[in-house]
Amino acid sequence: AQSVTQLGSHVSVSEGALVLLRCNYSSSVPPYLFWYVQYPNQGLQLLLKYTSAATLVKGINGFEAEFKKSETSFHLTKPSAHMSDAAEYFCAVSAGGGGADGLTFGKGTHLIIQP
Amino acid sequence: EAGVTQSPTHLIKTRGQQATLRCSPISGHTSVYWYQQALGLGLQFLLWYDEGEERNRGNFPPRFSGRQFPNYSSELNVNALELEDSALYLCASSLELTGASTDTQYFGPGTRLTVL
Repeated sequence: AQSVTQLGSHVSVSEGALVLLRCNYSSSVPPYLFWYVQYPNQGLQLLLKYTSAATLVKGINGFEAEFKKSETSFHLTKPSAHMSDAAEYFCAVSAGGGGADGLTFGKGTHLIIQP
Repeated sequence: EAGVTQSPTHLIKTRGQQATLRCSPISGHTSVYWYQQALGLGLQFLLWYDEGEERNRGNFPPRFSGRQFPNYSSELNVNALELEDSALYLCASSLELTGASTDTQYFGPGTRLTVL
């Protein structure tokens, strides 16, 4: 079984500041990890995914995440926050072996951008 | 290329009724997933359909069911609605060519179900 913990249900940063959203996972098998973003009243959009290739993964909109096996972490970062980044962010894990268990999501982190 | 579409956008039902939600996957995708996003409970995996078969289900009662049609579209049925079924129901599709979890799931905009 796998699980995801997102530290901080709300994160507030100033426009132009570094964005850091934390995600720790638990998985009994090598995990595949994802970050999704959800804007109000919309579905989920994939930001990036880790699939056991490079540990530093670059995604859309300037986001990137680093897989650290020793820390069981997959934190999401962006060097400079923009007002349009305000949204709900979800970290998700999927175990190997097909989509059998679906994606296991964290509770989400609401990112607030201060002008 | 059209993304995952879901209908209806909003659905209002009363307790005890049945609700039917529909999903059309991205063209060429054979797998469809359903998730429930309820307030305070987060996103929870409901069902997975692939090639017309139910492959797995999450920890939900049998009154949550569905099917996948030959064109890979899918519907989710919720019988005997309860107040706590009020949620955003998200559908996702993926290729599942390799049967690997690396196949990305692409999400639709969701159906907001309100049970009164």
